[in-house]
Amino acid sequence: NAGVTQTPKFQVLKTGQSMTLQCAQDMNHNSMYWYRQDPGMGLRLIYYSASEGTTDKGEVPNGYNVSRLNKREFSLRLESAAPSQTSVYFCASSEALRGTGEKLFFGSGTQLSVL
Amino acid sequence: KNEVEQSPQNLTAQEGEFITINCSYSVGISALHWLQQHPGGGIVSLFMLSSGKKKHGRLIATINIQEKHSSLHITASHPRDSAVYICAALFGNEKLTFGTGTRLTIIP
Repeated sequence: NAGVTQTPKFQVLKTGQSMTLQCAQDMNHNSMYWYRQDPGMGLRLIYYSASEGTTDKGEVPNGYNVSRLNKREFSLRLESAAPSQTSVYFCASSEALRGTGEKLFFGSGTQLSVL
Repeated sequence: KNEVEQSPQNLTAQEGEFITINCSYSVGISALHWLQQHPGGGIVSLFMLSSGKKKHGRLIATINIQEKHSSLHITASHPRDSAVYICAALFGNEKLTFGTGTRLTIIP
């Protein structure tokens, strides 16, 4: 099993460009998440999806959109990239939303630079 | 406000030493996770606990609900344990709040 597969691993954008980060999991998990990691700060939740067809805002959703295409896939889109979105992005999944009794499984991360 | 604090921020130790990393949180929680972030950036879940103690190999995680405190211990530390260790607390709702991590370096 591949676990959580996240692409691309690296990306450089110019301000105003758009891009989509792809994430897929093969563990039949209900819940999927997008986090960003910035120096000196803990992981912060951008958006999450409790199940196929549902999405909800996290702590820092501005400037992002998401799509839960099916149970396996959860994509993150930057419509008009800004330098403040330079960060490392992680996709994660778990069996249940609450995280109680359930481990989180993370993708390998995407290092995004916006110039 | 739901807050998670870790200490120390950085820890350097000699191979073989007993390591303790601390995590405290502001209010009652449903569960606490310990994660390991490898030098290459990948994140692995180590433990999820809501009470007591869990052990896996040389890693031990404990939580004291009354004290609002959790510790991660590593026995007989090895250079391959060098990583950033992150705790994350579930404050009764569905979303985790993460600490900023403890960077551990084990010197041979």
